[in-house]
Amino acid sequence: EVQLVESGGGLVQPGGSVRLSCAASGFTFTTHWMHWVRQAPGKGLVWVSRISYDGTATTYTESVKGRLTVSRDNAKNMLFLQMDSVRVEDSAVYYCARESLNAFDIWGQGTMVTVSP
Amino acid sequence: DNQITQSPSSLSASVGESVTITCRASQSIFSYLNWYQQRPGKAPRLLIYAASSLQSGVPLRFSGSGSGTDFTLTISSLQPEDFATYYCQQTYNIPRTFGQGTKVEIK
Repeated sequence: EVQLVESGGGLVQPGGSVRLSCAASGFTFTTHWMHWVRQAPGKGLVWVSRISYDGTATTYTESVKGRLTVSRDNAKNMLFLQMDSVRVEDSAVYYCARESLNAFDIWGQGTMVTVSP
Repeated sequence: DNQITQSPSSLSASVGESVTITCRASQSIFSYLNWYQQRPGKAPRLLIYAASSLQSGVPLRFSGSGSGTDFTLTISSLQPEDFATYYCQQTYNIPRTFGQGTKVEIK
């Protein structure tokens, strides 16, 4: 079964750090760009970041540049999002998603990050 | 950023009715437009990619059209499981912007 499973979310204080993980299975991980998308409670979807097949190219939405870092371990079929200097406005459900044919065809179930004192 | 304006933000419809949701991009995105469905508490699900291609496993009552800056998603004969929030997304530019969402509710 093609699957993405996120983990690592929780409560973190403003200015703190948290690392999200996304475990991929059921497909050839190394042939897909991967993305992170977030959704604040009751709000819409916001694209956060992407990473190339081999991890050499990354892109971020403006509001997270310099604070969030996407990476991947192709040997372990894992995607990561390192979140540093977090802000209250980073509170959201974070989804990892697989890109295929310029669309996000597989999504994880999401992991919640709450930034609060 | 290439802004995506989705409308309406919500609509009410009855089972069996047909509904249309529109998205407009601020710059041409050719056919790089996708549609997703999100049920409460669930992850988004890809319905339509490349403006008009139906994702595998998605019922034929869902269809998409458009190119350039104007796009539509049509759901013909609404079913109970179709009451959800729908998002469009452009994948021509970075950032990969989403529309604001359209909540389809039961009348």
